[in-house]
Amino acid sequence: EIVLTQSPATLSLSPGERATLSCRASQSVSSFLAWYQHKPGQSPRLLIHDASNRATGIPARFSGSGSGTDFTLTISSLEPEDFAVYYCQQRAGWPPWTFGQGTKVEIK
Amino acid sequence: EVQLVESGGGLIQPGGSLRLSCGVSGLSVSNNFMSWVRQAPGKGLEWVSVIYSGGSTHYADSVKGRFTISRDTSKNTLYLQMNSLRAEDTAVYYCARDKFQSPYYYGMDVWGQGTTVTVSS
Repeated sequence: EIVLTQSPATLSLSPGERATLSCRASQSVSSFLAWYQHKPGQSPRLLIHDASNRATGIPARFSGSGSGTDFTLTISSLEPEDFAVYYCQQRAGWPPWTFGQGTKVEIK
Repeated sequence: EVQLVESGGGLIQPGGSLRLSCGVSGLSVSNNFMSWVRQAPGKGLEWVSVIYSGGSTHYADSVKGRFTISRDTSKNTLYLQMNSLRAEDTAVYYCARDKFQSPYYYGMDVWGQGTTVTVSS
């Protein structure tokens, strides 16, 4: 099973600041990595697929990079609605697919 | 409009069984990979199971042998049969379209609203 490790666990930032979230895989997942935003009481929302491609309707302030084992989600300038928990997820090879443990972006 | 609607959650005693349903509109369950994902209270997201468009199925180790994913193409509905339920299966269960078109992975791009399963005596 491929383990995804996200860091930091919590990111305390102010609106307008830049957020940089990391996801590291225990073995290469090529570019088969997605990022999701999850708010309490809501369904997860796909942000990024194939490591660096924004999903339909996702604002340009969200960007993804990386391949192999190291990936980054960047939010260039935090909006009030961006404070949430973010998960990376891999889909390389055979199941099981796995999620990282999440990074909470909270208001400082 | 694509829509996934889960149902079937509830309170169940340990060792019991429950079947979750995911009614799908706007896309075909038979032409898509469909996954179940859960979130236990205070925990992160956990992938549970997937059914491929060709019909093959796969499971997380934590549910293998106890849960069965299936679909009814005539009803365009996805199911998750959960047997031998344990307290640690308590979670919100989501169904999602898992979009993979080799060699690209488009992610779980459509999600239901979730249904809550509580396993407790």
